[in-house]
Amino acid sequence: GDSVTQMEGPVTLSEEAFLTINCTYTATGYPSLFWYVQYPGEGLQLLLKATKADDKGSNKGFEATYRKETTSFHLEKGSVQVSDSAVYFCALSPSTGTASKLTFGTGTRLQVTL
Amino acid sequence: ETGVTQTPRHLVMGMTNKKSLKCEQHLGHNAMYWYKQSAKKPLELMFVYSLEERVENNSVPSRFSPECPNSSHLFLHLHTLQPEDSALYLCASSPGTNTGELFFGEGSRLTVL
Repeated sequence: GDSVTQMEGPVTLSEEAFLTINCTYTATGYPSLFWYVQYPGEGLQLLLKATKADDKGSNKGFEATYRKETTSFHLEKGSVQVSDSAVYFCALSPSTGTASKLTFGTGTRLQVTL
Repeated sequence: ETGVTQTPRHLVMGMTNKKSLKCEQHLGHNAMYWYKQSAKKPLELMFVYSLEERVENNSVPSRFSPECPNSSHLFLHLHTLQPEDSALYLCASSPGTNTGELFFGEGSRLTVL
């Protein structure tokens, strides 16, 4: 079945550092890929998405590129802020983009310090 | 203010109690979901309700019982729970089921003693 693997956290960075959170997936066909973010005490929010190979999703300074050859969708940000401290979830949905079949990773906690 | 509201935010119950979690969405969406979030585990889809389908994860114990009286409200009825059921229960909604874009509530933190 489909699966998503994320790097173990927590990831601790100083403000203005470069961020990479790795995500790889296993799926048949051409899934859509997503990054969700969960700030402390809140539910998940969609951060960005990509629906086909080589697409780049971006939002709030975060970017991720859909790499089919490496089955990856790594999240990057050039300069993190304290307010980016949260848990980040990679997710995929099957080729039909069915939300009822979203598969999430375990989440990676990011802590940014001054 | 979030478009998806969950109550209560925190719940402590004994193993013999009966309680319910409530979710309401103000986004005009047609699909609603219950997810279970446990530490160091992927989010687990429990139930989906939409105009097109009702999906149940067959691994969810019968002590969890969903109810969806209309497209704006979703309940999760709880009875004779176990301590391992302690988790954050997240409600979500989406315009339909043909999208991976979900809108989540803040969750109900459940502790079973």
